Amino acid sequence: DQQVKQNSPSLSVQEGRISILNCDYTNSMFDYFLWYKKYPAEGPTFLISISSIKDKNEDGRFTVFLNKSAKHLSLHIVPSQPGDSAVYFCGGEYGNKLVFGAGTILRVKS
Amino acid sequence: DVKVTQSSRYLVKRTGEKVFLECVQDMDHENMFWYRQDPGLGLRLIYFSYDVKMKEKGDIPEGYSVSREKKERFSLILESASTNQTSMYLCASTQLNEKLFFGSGTQLSVL
Repeated sequence: DQQVKQNSPSLSVQEGRISILNCDYTNSMFDYFLWYKKYPAEGPTFLISISSIKDKNEDGRFTVFLNKSAKHLSLHIVPSQPGDSAVYFCGGEYGNKLVFGAGTILRVKS
Repeated sequence: DVKVTQSSRYLVKRTGEKVFLECVQDMDHENMFWYRQDPGLGLRLIYFSYDVKMKEKGDIPEGYSVSREKKERFSLILESASTNQTSMYLCASTQLNEKLFFGSGTQLSVL
């Protein structure tokens, strides 16, 4: 049973435009959501997070939106840069456990 | 600077072998995790530990065991490696309610 779903395996965006990565979840117990970015041959690195009591968190070019009623969150990257090309994992956390989705490959074309 | 070190970047083993994957963190974190990454399946949690000698099963523990004898070290053990355990293995650590720090990963091939 996949508790966190990223239904788009890949996304291609032109440099300078907005990238929107989506994530759906089924577990109402999640109290924290995180986005991680992963380059090939490297471990994932933390990008941005949001508490379940908030609906938006912003950090520079990255903004995460949470819609609890729809059990949906999204990551917006504006403007997109070629260096943003990576795999993005959405994760939900409850207790000591962090569960991730399948990931979305983002390609930013210059 | 924060560091999670996995002992091997690449490993090739034969079916039936016992395999040890080692992970060390230098941040005095309470919690440590083992994930595997497979195309289309993302990061799946195998086991995690929230204290020395404590362990809990993740979502896919079958075929694996773990050991945490010291706070800084968390080992993943494949008792009898099988080809479906060929994967990228990622270790991570965190203090409670803080972000995860990942190692660089071990690409394991079981032939």
